[in-house]
Amino acid sequence: DAGVIQSPRHEVTEMGQEVTLRCKPISGHNSLFWYRQTMMRGLELLIYFNNNVPIDDSGMPEDRFSAKMPNASFSTLKIQPSEPRDSAVYFCASTLGGNTQYFGPGTRLTVL
Amino acid sequence: GENVEQHPSTLSVQEGDSAVIKCTYSDSASNYFPWYKQELGKGPQLIIDIRSNVGEKKDQRIAVTLNKTAKHFSLHITETQPEDSAVYFCAASRTGGGADGLTFGKGTHLIIQP
Repeated sequence: DAGVIQSPRHEVTEMGQEVTLRCKPISGHNSLFWYRQTMMRGLELLIYFNNNVPIDDSGMPEDRFSAKMPNASFSTLKIQPSEPRDSAVYFCASTLGGNTQYFGPGTRLTVL
Repeated sequence: GENVEQHPSTLSVQEGDSAVIKCTYSDSASNYFPWYKQELGKGPQLIIDIRSNVGEKKDQRIAVTLNKTAKHFSLHITETQPEDSAVYFCAASRTGGGADGLTFGKGTHLIIQP
């Protein structure tokens, strides 16, 4: 089992640029979550999908953030335009039927 | 919404001793409480979880206890080993984590002294 796959693992960009983070959940899982981890705020839920449908995006910090899940095996988190305060580690997690959430390795984003 | 408080933020114990990490939560509707271990440069990994219909659960050297009345739960690690050194997070959820997201505590950096 490959686990949750995220790409890229590291991203360095300049303020104002568009950033796209990608996630492939575990095959067969029907829920997908995006989290952000910072030293100040810890692990925060940004948005989650059930059966590809966004259920709760109340954790998305601003309109600059958007997420999509076009099919059961792929999701993106986009930041446009990016700002230095968006620097963080972004995790994707997936689960099946309300059980254990499995986390990916994360994408470390640095916005200069 | 849910608020999860975790203590201590750092815990240093001698190898072989026990470690205890405590969490409190605010939402009485929460009924699922997982614990995750995060090693440097990796994503969090579930180590044990408990649901509100039980008060204690054990898995080898780790155990979790839950007091729903007081709204607190704790992680106990016995006979600590160097590989237990990591950051540990508690979390809470209303539905088990599948139908909604997890609310995490701020984490405890556990250091095992040789």
